Amino acid sequence: NAGVTQTPKFRILKIGQSMTLQCAQDMNHNYMYWYRQDPGMGLKLIYYSVGAGITDKGEVPNGYNVSRSTTEDFPLRLELAAPSQTSVYFCASIKAGANVLTFGAGSRLTVL
Amino acid sequence: AQRVTQPEKLLSVFKGAPVELKCNYSYSGSPELFWYVQYSRQRLQLLLRHISRESIKGFTADLNKGETSFHLKKPFAQEEDSAMYYCALLQETSGSRLTFGEGTQLTVNP
Repeated sequence: NAGVTQTPKFRILKIGQSMTLQCAQDMNHNYMYWYRQDPGMGLKLIYYSVGAGITDKGEVPNGYNVSRSTTEDFPLRLELAAPSQTSVYFCASIKAGANVLTFGAGSRLTVL
Repeated sequence: AQRVTQPEKLLSVFKGAPVELKCNYSYSGSPELFWYVQYSRQRLQLLLRHISRESIKGFTADLNKGETSFHLKKPFAQEEDSAMYYCALLQETSGSRLTFGEGTQLTVNP
């Protein structure tokens, strides 16, 4: 049972490049989330999804897009990378009705 | 709007000393609060939640609705407690979203 798997673990991007952070869970969890973690700022919710085909914005959605075509996968896309998107990104999931998140290991993104 | 505040970004204590990590919240409904911990090079994991009223790794946290606080305490800190600690508030409406505080980096010195 892999839990929540994120790829890549590390990535360096140039300004203006695009990329997708992958997130997959094998626990049949309904809800999935993307957070970014910045020093002194805690974790901020970017986007979340309550099921396949349903996504919604969190606190800091600008510059990002998501999709949820299957229950298992919840990729996060950066279209035009900016230095302000340098951060550690965490994917998490939870079963509907439960209240404890399972987190991925994180993806460290640097935009130069 | 709901909010979680952890006033201390850094906290340093000596091994064996008591430790208290502060957390205050604002929420119009009935709060459900959690402490998550991130040890070095590991992923975030749940430490404890207020509804369980349990002690995990010697840590306890009591919800004080009058003071809107959920402080994390341990009477005798250990070096292995060094980590980043996040207080979080569950928003029970659509999506079971968690709002996190800014985090407190705890260092326990030998």
